[in-house]
Amino acid sequence: QSALTQPASVSGSPGQSITISCTGTSSDVGGYNYVSWYQQHPGKAPKLMIYDVSNRPSGVSNRFSGSKSDNTASLTISGLQAEDEADYYCSSYTGSNTLVFGGGTKLTVL
Amino acid sequence: EVQLVESGGDLVQPGGSLRLSCAASGFTFSSYAMNWVRQAPGKGLEWVSAISGGGASTSYADSVKGRFALSRDKSKDMLYLQMNSLRVEDTAVYYCARPIRGVYRGFDYWGQGTLVTVSS
Repeated sequence: QSALTQPASVSGSPGQSITISCTGTSSDVGGYNYVSWYQQHPGKAPKLMIYDVSNRPSGVSNRFSGSKSDNTASLTISGLQAEDEADYYCSSYTGSNTLVFGGGTKLTVL
Repeated sequence: EVQLVESGGDLVQPGGSLRLSCAASGFTFSSYAMNWVRQAPGKGLEWVSAISGGGASTSYADSVKGRFALSRDKSKDMLYLQMNSLRVEDTAVYYCARPIRGVYRGFDYWGQGTLVTVSS
């Protein structure tokens, strides 16, 4: 159950778009369309932003989108806003009745 | 309104035991699988355990397998995580979380978390 690989940090200016990658293997990200993305502000519980690779839960802004290619999933945030500054985590089902998270990415809005 | 409220976190010595509880409300508890996710201080998220809606099936991360046991009481809409043989590395905020569908397909509701500190 090795953690999925995410960049430690990304940054962007307001209005720009950024993409956070999440790399796994054919046993997790590449093998199932069960990748999720979470946003976490300091001291708060995580918030689900994307599930099943590209689906947005009700109430999540359409500035957030998800995709997957082979063993790498991606979260794209367009029209970056100050309130998007947070930690972001991906997760994936692993096929052995377990779930694995990525190490997390700190997004800084410049 | 869906609510998940964890309790039971405490300071415990290495080798000790603790039982965490998660009180669920606002939804049909028995219709949903449930999970625990933890976060060590200043670290990332780590999935801990899952249980099916009926409670018959459980799964665990390798890091807790054989030491933690997950159960649920559908008459009380409660989720329990029994933690034995606790280690310093089990120190974390523990969250209970409800999946949007299935078991692992994204957690749309989380509790506020309960802090477990394992230290001598």
